[in-house]
Formats: sequence, C-alpha cells, structure tokens
Amino acid sequence: DIVLTQSPALAVSLGQRATISCRASQSVSTSSYNLMHWYQQKPGEQPKLLIYDASNLASGIPVRFSGSGSGTDFTLTINPVQADDIATYYCQQSRELYTFGAGTKLELK
Amino acid sequence: EVKLLESGGGLVQPGGSLRLSCAASGFTFTDFYMSWIRQPPGKAPEWLGVIRNKANGYTTEYNPSVKGRFTISRDNTQNILYLQMNTLRAEDTAIYYCARCMGIDYFDYWGQGVMVTVSS
Repeated sequence: DIVLTQSPALAVSLGQRATISCRASQSVSTSSYNLMHWYQQKPGEQPKLLIYDASNLASGIPVRFSGSGSGTDFTLTINPVQADDIATYYCQQSRELYTFGAGTKLELK
Repeated sequence: EVKLLESGGGLVQPGGSLRLSCAASGFTFTDFYMSWIRQPPGKAPEWLGVIRNKANGYTTEYNPSVKGRFTISRDNTQNILYLQMNTLRAEDTAIYYCARCMGIDYFDYWGQGVMVTVSS
C-alpha cells in the first residue's frame, strides 16, 4: 500500500499563505502524470475536489488554491487564506488503487 | 447537474448485512467508474472499491480491508450503484459515500453520504 503522510494541523492568519504538504511512501508519478489529488472537507459536508494530477485546478475552485510536486512530495498552497478556507484538507493518490492521507486541519492563528 | 444520492444506511447488529444504494443523475452513468468511500467519525476517508465503466466491462476492484465481505454492483438501466456489506463489524461504523471517478484517478463528485452504525 502507498501510505500518504500529512501534518495533523496548520495554524495560519487570514490573508497569509498556507502550505500543506503530503509525502507518499513511494513515487505516485508516472512518465506522464503526477497522480496526487487534493480535497477540502468542512464539518458535516462531503469532501470536495480542489486539485487533480498534482497541479490542475478543479472546476469552480478559486485561483488562490494551487498545487505542486512530483514523485513523493506534494504541496497544496492557499494564498491568501480566507475565512471560508478553514477546513480539513486531504491528499489522495491513484498510482496504486486509491489511498487518502490522514488530513491536515487548517486553523486560524 | 451531477447528483449522487445515497440511501439504505442505519443501525445494524454485528454480523449483520446491509445494502446501500446510490442513485446517480446528470451524466452518462455507463461512461464512468464509480466508487464507494467511507469515513469513520473524525477520521480520514477510506476507499472501499470501484466498479469500472462499460468500456472496461464493469469489473470491480476492492480494498483488501473489505474484500470478500463487501460487493459493489451497478444497475445501468436505472443508474444505481450498490454496496452490499456482509458480516458487519463495529469498525465498519462510518459515513458511506458514493463517488464518481474522473478517468481512473480522482473523485470529482461525491454524494452527501449515509451513516452506517454497527452496534448491538
């Protein structure tokens, strides 16, 4: 199994940049694609797709969200953070079946 | 508009069975892989399994953690996805989501989820 490791929490001030990381236990990249995806989940709601294939913005997602990375190390950046972005963020790989990270809870400083 | 609506959740005793349904609309159901994903309270999502699209023969793949106990199927005439769960355990307690797979890689639409509680 590919294990995805995320920091449990990140405290950020409104208007600042938030950088959320996800590390895979083995590469999730192919010669053509970086098979890492990001979701946002607010309490009581289902997860919502933010970023697919490491750096592609999903439909309707604000441009303050961006993603980067390849191989085993990936980053979701929110800049600037708005109050509506307070949520838990999950990474998910599709290189070998599908696994999710444990999530990073974005909190206000 | 893509819609996924789960039903069939509830309270079940350990060792019991339950079948969840997911009614899909707003897209060509047979074109897409469909998955079930669950999320225990306060924990991360866990992918359970996938059923492939028409072009790939509607074959299935499962998370080893549920293989042999859970079965995914689909009714392509009524656009319904199913999850048959047998020999349920307390650790199966979770919110269960159906999700549409974009390509074979990520989940672009999720249902609102249905709660399954396994307890005596």
